[in-house]
Amino acid sequence: DVKVTQSSRYLVKRTGEKVFLECVQDMDHENMFWYRQDPGLGLRLIYFSYDVKMKEKGDIPEGYSVSREKKERFSLILESASTNQTSMYLCASSRPQGRDEQFFGPGTRLTVL
Amino acid sequence: DAKTTQPTSMDCAEGRAANLPCNHSTISGNEYVYWYRQIHSQGPQYIIHGLKNNETNEMASLIITEDRKSSTLILPHATLRDTAVYYCIVRVTSGTYKYIFGTGTRLKVLA
Repeated sequence: DVKVTQSSRYLVKRTGEKVFLECVQDMDHENMFWYRQDPGLGLRLIYFSYDVKMKEKGDIPEGYSVSREKKERFSLILESASTNQTSMYLCASSRPQGRDEQFFGPGTRLTVL
Repeated sequence: DAKTTQPTSMDCAEGRAANLPCNHSTISGNEYVYWYRQIHSQGPQYIIHGLKNNETNEMASLIITEDRKSSTLILPHATLRDTAVYYCIVRVTSGTYKYIFGTGTRLKVLA
């Protein structure tokens, strides 16, 4: 069974802390994505990567960075967490062909105090 | 990518067909229609997609109007486990990997 896993389901951090969210997929997918989901706003794309060490900004990259050192792993980094980054974070992966569906992880609910 | 419009919420009786509409009047010729759903506390799950022909798989059917300005997702025999938020997305499949998820339709299946 295909799988996208995220390092934590729930995370509580303090303002100013550096936060790492990890995502691992076992499907050998080239593309990986990070979204955040907030009530009334749907899912918004933060960053995506179409290959190892390659990344592109999504719609809301400010305050975030990403790292993709290995094909199966895509990390989202909050350099200095702020309360407005409290959200549900979702990772996804897909094959390189544009038609192919995205497979999502279970999400990490991050609270920044 | 074209914008989609969906009702905010719908109810459906268990065992009946759930018909979820989506308007995408500005859809371009090379944009596909995708449907995903998100069950509470889980990540979105792919359901089905299509370009202009009707499509069916083990989960659902997708009916796209001839002018492609709207579509309907059909869950033929809804169960309580189908209670979820359903997202209709239109997107091109070349030159971008991007999905734009709106706020979707909250489907509640009633016992």
